[in-house]
Amino acid sequence: EDKVVQSPLSLVVHEGDTVTLNCSYEVTNFRSLLWYKQEKKAPTFLFMLTSSGIEKKSGRLSSILDKKELFSILNITATQTGDSAVYLCAVEDQGGSQGNLIFGKGTKLSVKP
Amino acid sequence: NAGVMQNPRHLVRRRGQEARLRCSPMKGHSHVYWYRQLPEEGLKFMVYLQKENIIDESGMPKERFSAEFPKEGPSILRIQQVVRGDSAAYFCASSPGLAYDTQYFGPGTRLTVL
Repeated sequence: EDKVVQSPLSLVVHEGDTVTLNCSYEVTNFRSLLWYKQEKKAPTFLFMLTSSGIEKKSGRLSSILDKKELFSILNITATQTGDSAVYLCAVEDQGGSQGNLIFGKGTKLSVKP
Repeated sequence: NAGVMQNPRHLVRRRGQEARLRCSPMKGHSHVYWYRQLPEEGLKFMVYLQKENIIDESGMPKERFSAEFPKEGPSILRIQQVVRGDSAAYFCASSPGLAYDTQYFGPGTRLTVL
């Protein structure tokens, strides 16, 4: 059965800390792994990863994929209170023309001032 | 402890037919959210419902689309007179209490309009 497991489920840090969020997966026909930030309404897209070992970076956020070990990490450096959110990992498999997104349960990050 | 359930997982309709997508939230969850994922795009919010109430439908097209979450039974997203552009994956999420609390996503329904 396809699955996506995120850890930790919740995390409390102080401003300025660096955090690493984990996502491991088991899917039959991997296409891509996506990270989302969810505060309100729709999750905001952060990264799409398709190739192993290539780091994607956006400001203080970065992410990398390991297709051999079947996991990805999302790093946030110098955290700010505005980083408080639920971070979702989703894996897309090759099923059908629209793909098939399988979501993890999310990591709830709280950044204290 | 069953997660969010959606059915059917795949739905094929011809243009002009109706599509009904069902979402059963996690046990104890009273908030349901519907999202649409178009090919090559991210998730788009459609509607947020609590039992018997539509709280926010700002993301839902004004025509042909409707949603409900009755007192008993699953939430239903209904698309009337489907067109090819409605082909997408539709995801449902549920949360337990506070508005926009941590949402748990279902497996999605893939709608294909021929």
